[in-house]
Amino acid sequence: AQTVTQSQPEMSVQEAETVTLSCTYDTSENNYYLFWYKQPPSRQMILVIRQEAYKQQNATENRFSVNFQKAAKSFSLKISDSQLGDTAMYFCAFMKHGTGYALNFGKGTSLLVTP
Amino acid sequence: ETGVTQSPTHLIKTRGQQVTLRCSSQSGHNTVSWYQQALGQGPQFIFQYYREEENGRGNFPPRFSGLQFPNYSSELNVNALELDDSALYLCASSLDSRTTSYGYTFGSGTRLTVV
Repeated sequence: AQTVTQSQPEMSVQEAETVTLSCTYDTSENNYYLFWYKQPPSRQMILVIRQEAYKQQNATENRFSVNFQKAAKSFSLKISDSQLGDTAMYFCAFMKHGTGYALNFGKGTSLLVTP
Repeated sequence: ETGVTQSPTHLIKTRGQQVTLRCSSQSGHNTVSWYQQALGQGPQFIFQYYREEENGRGNFPPRFSGLQFPNYSSELNVNALELDDSALYLCASSLDSRTTSYGYTFGSGTRLTVV
């Protein structure tokens, strides 16, 4: 079974600053996908960024980027120029390659962006 | 695109009762998954349906069952409710089972409280 660990239950950052959320995972698979999801108070999970394990290049989406270290099984999320609307729970998730497989989520990191 | 809609948003049931939660997937999405999110935890995979057939299941007992209909709607049924079933239940859809690796579209969930 795959496990996903987010070691930071809560984090805080000032508006316009940069913050990094940590995620590690455990798997024996070689081909898989990693995700960061955001869950604001509205409860809807929103996909922030996605990484394919067989791609060495780190994924980026505007202000969001990841640092994917496959050998270390680490997948951190960097948020640049933090905005008040970034306040939310952030979940790291793992998915095996293939059909019918589910997302395995970590316990989440609560991020608060302050003015 | 109309997104993923879940109903009801909140529900209170008594231990031992049965409950049906409903989800209307994004138009054209043939894959639907259900997740249980306990308070302070990441979502846990319950099961997945593809074209009305179950094609993946997490570590949940048989009293959790589901249906998927041709009109992109689906149901999660839980029999013999227990206090530990109190959680947020999330529905997520994807175009088909090959595209789940691109991430799911989630609904805002149903908050179930068992008393």
